[in-house]
Amino acid sequence: QVQLQQSGPGLVKPSQTLSLTCTVSGDSISSGRYFWTWIRQNPGKDLEWLGYIYNSGSTYYNPSLSGRISISVDTSKNHFSLRLTSATAADTAVYFCARGGVDDSRGFFDLWGQGTLVTVSS
Amino acid sequence: DVVMTQTPLFLPVTPGEPASISCRSSESLLDSHDGDTFVDWYLQKPGQSPQLLIYSLSYRASGVSDRFSGSGSGTDFTLKISRVESEDVGIYYCMQRIAFPRTFGQGTKVEIK
Repeated sequence: QVQLQQSGPGLVKPSQTLSLTCTVSGDSISSGRYFWTWIRQNPGKDLEWLGYIYNSGSTYYNPSLSGRISISVDTSKNHFSLRLTSATAADTAVYFCARGGVDDSRGFFDLWGQGTLVTVSS
Repeated sequence: DVVMTQTPLFLPVTPGEPASISCRSSESLLDSHDGDTFVDWYLQKPGQSPQLLIYSLSYRASGVSDRFSGSGSGTDFTLKISRVESEDVGIYYCMQRIAFPRTFGQGTKVEIK
């Protein structure tokens, strides 16, 4: 059974970097079959797609994040990570990792992490 | 970005009765190459992560009750629940994946009357 397990701090100070990790169990992150994705949900419950990493290196980010985001992968640990620099209160949200198929017919998000509430506050 | 607009935003429902949620996209979600329509529906139950209900317009995800169905075409889509049960409460989202960045509707909160 494939699972996504998130980890990372729940409190980040303004202007600092938000960092989260999603560990994949039951599947290889290097399979090339999935976009490993980050999505967040603000306190108003809006969902925002942040970006993905694919095939151990290719990335695509939401332009709305103005270059503050990076997603990386560690194949030896079978996990992928999110970094969001220059955090502000607007980045306070529940962050989810998710798996989306590369094949267009399978591009939906069929597996999600448990979510991590990150609060940006001094 | 493709804008997804859901109506209503709040839906009180009666157990055993049908319910429907609408979603409209700012551009067509029909993929001309293979004929698929790239709209999916998710349900976020209280305290949980979103879960996939319907993908590619009308295909039920594994394990999803046949009380749920998706329909529509082009830019207008509907999620229907044939008979609402108490376990169906939560926030329903439509999402497009015809283009990046993926975008979601605002969500429809379904509660029991």
